[in-house]
Amino acid sequence: DAGVTQTPRHEVAEKGQTIILKCEPVSGHNDLFWYRQTKIQGLELLSYFRSKSLMEDGGAFKDRFKAEMLNSSFSTLKIQPTEPKDSAVYLCASSGQYEQYFGPGTRLTVL
Amino acid sequence: GEQVEQLPSILRVQEGSSASINCTYENSASNYFPWYKQEPGENPKLIIDIRSNMERKQTQGLIVLLDKKAKRFSLHITDTQPGDSAMYFCAASNNNRIFFGDGTQLVVKP
Repeated sequence: DAGVTQTPRHEVAEKGQTIILKCEPVSGHNDLFWYRQTKIQGLELLSYFRSKSLMEDGGAFKDRFKAEMLNSSFSTLKIQPTEPKDSAVYLCASSGQYEQYFGPGTRLTVL
Repeated sequence: GEQVEQLPSILRVQEGSSASINCTYENSASNYFPWYKQEPGENPKLIIDIRSNMERKQTQGLIVLLDKKAKRFSLHITDTQPGDSAMYFCAASNNNRIFFGDGTQLVVKP
């Protein structure tokens, strides 16, 4: 069984750049989540999709963060423009009826 | 009404002893409570979970307890080993909307 996949695993960006992170959920899962994880803030929800519909857009993250899910097997998270404070691990997760599984994450460094 | 509180933030135990992590939640409609273990550089991995129709669940040295009246749930690791050292997250979910605790750093000393 393929789990949640994320690409790239590592990304280095200059301040002001646009970056796009990609996620493929577990096949058959209806819910997809994007999180940001830092040591200081812990796990922060950025976006939540249910059956491709955006259920939550993360409030404070709306400004420069945009998640999309054009089909049930692929989602993107765009950060535009990037800022150094965006340096973090970005985790995608998907869930079926109950269990939520995380992808390996993308470690983003913004210089 | 969705906050999940997790304590302690750091837990140091001697190898072979037990470790307990406690979480409380606010939304009485929460019906699913997973626990995740995250090792350095890795993603969080689901290690055990419990649903609201149960009070206790045990698997491979892990025990989770759920007290719905008190809106409290806990993870107990029996006979801890150095390999159990990691960050542990609790979570509470209602209709797939999941809320995480801030994590507990478990350090098992040899």
